Parts: sequence; C-alpha cells; structure tokens
Amino acid sequence: GAVVSQHPSRVICKSGTSVKIECRSLDFQATTMFWYRQFPKQSLMLMATSNEGSKATYEQGVEKDKFLINHASLTLSTLTVTSAHPEDSSFYICSARATSGGTDEQYFGPGTRLTVT
Amino acid sequence: AQTVTQSQPEMSVQEAETVTLSCTYDTSENNYYLFWYKQPPSRQMILVIRQEAYKQQNATENRFSVNFQKAAKSFSLKISDSQLGDTAMYFCAFMKHAPRDDKIIFGKGTRLHILP
Repeated sequence: GAVVSQHPSRVICKSGTSVKIECRSLDFQATTMFWYRQFPKQSLMLMATSNEGSKATYEQGVEKDKFLINHASLTLSTLTVTSAHPEDSSFYICSARATSGGTDEQYFGPGTRLTVT
Repeated sequence: AQTVTQSQPEMSVQEAETVTLSCTYDTSENNYYLFWYKQPPSRQMILVIRQEAYKQQNATENRFSVNFQKAAKSFSLKISDSQLGDTAMYFCAFMKHAPRDDKIIFGKGTRLHILP
C-alpha cells in the first residue's frame, strides 16, 4: 500500500514557541491531505483539509491562525503550531488521499507526538 | 451532518473466539463509504475493511467481515478466530462519496482486548 510519513515523530517544545510538522506522501501524489488531532484514549478529530495550491479548510472551532497549514506540493503538507501552549500537547496525525490509477484511498501517517512544556 | 456511533467503549474476548463490534451511523446521503480502522499501541492507523454503500454484498478480508445493513444504518465488524495481535482500538468511520467533501468522520472507538 501507499506510504505516508510524518516528521518528526516526537517533539518537545517550550511554551510560546512554534513547531512545524511535515506530512509526506512517499510514493504517490496527494491533492488532498488531512490533519487530525487525537487526545489520549479518544478518537481522531479532523482539524483541517489541505488542498495543494490553495488555502486549507478548517473545521469549526479550529483556530486557523494558530494551526497554520501549507500544502505547497503534491507530496508535502505542513502543520505549524504557532505560539504553542501546554494545551496544544497532543498526537497529530495526517492522512493523504490517493486517487490515481482508479483508486480512491486515504493513507495515514504514523503520527507526531507534540509535548509543550 | 453525518454521525458515527460506537456503543461499546471496551471489549475483551479470549483468543480464538469470535467477536463483533457494533457501529451505527446517521446520514442523508445515498452514496458513501464505511470503514473499520485499527489503531494498535503504535498508534498507526490501519485500514481493516472498507464497504461501498452501493454494494449489497458484505465486504470480507480474511478473518474480518462486516454486516452492512443500509436501511438500518448499521455496520458491524466481525473478527473470527481472534488473535493476540488483534488487540487494538477499532474505529468505525464514514466518508461521503463526494470529490470535494471526502473527509472521514470517525466514531469514538472500541478498545478490544484479546486475552491469552
């Protein structure tokens, strides 16, 4: 199956700083990528939909100025958590949609654990 | 708006037994996909099985099968001959069949423990 990578897998940052998380589709082009947040023992909550070359669409209640999403190419989307606070500590997961060759699947990255101290 | 409900927060079964995880959903759409995802302790999301709403035949993948009841909006997952490696969180999920609205909506999950 297709592979989606995330970098870094774990990051610790100080309160007030910004941190960038990368999501890459390694062997396919993804016009659409999705960013999720998952708190311990909870489900995945969609934060935003990222379309290559256009602005991301944020879900209700997600601050777009705090969670900056850039989808600069068909294989890379980034999520930047700006002015991070301890309550932003969470597990962030991206997924990428593959639609070429008659397929229509979403593939998930391994996730990034963010800890804000 | 679409919703996905998993009424069993946690389940435990003995190895080699069969277990069924429940899922109901609500939608006014006629064309959509339903999924079961597995999230083991590594937290990597793994697609277990996928069902297209227009297909009446229930999807199967080796030991995993679903009981898709479209009219009842029910989509249960049956795991046969359960194995220790099946221990994980299982999420039922819904996606509209719409090119510009393809976000996946997840249920709250069922934590499954396979006991040796």
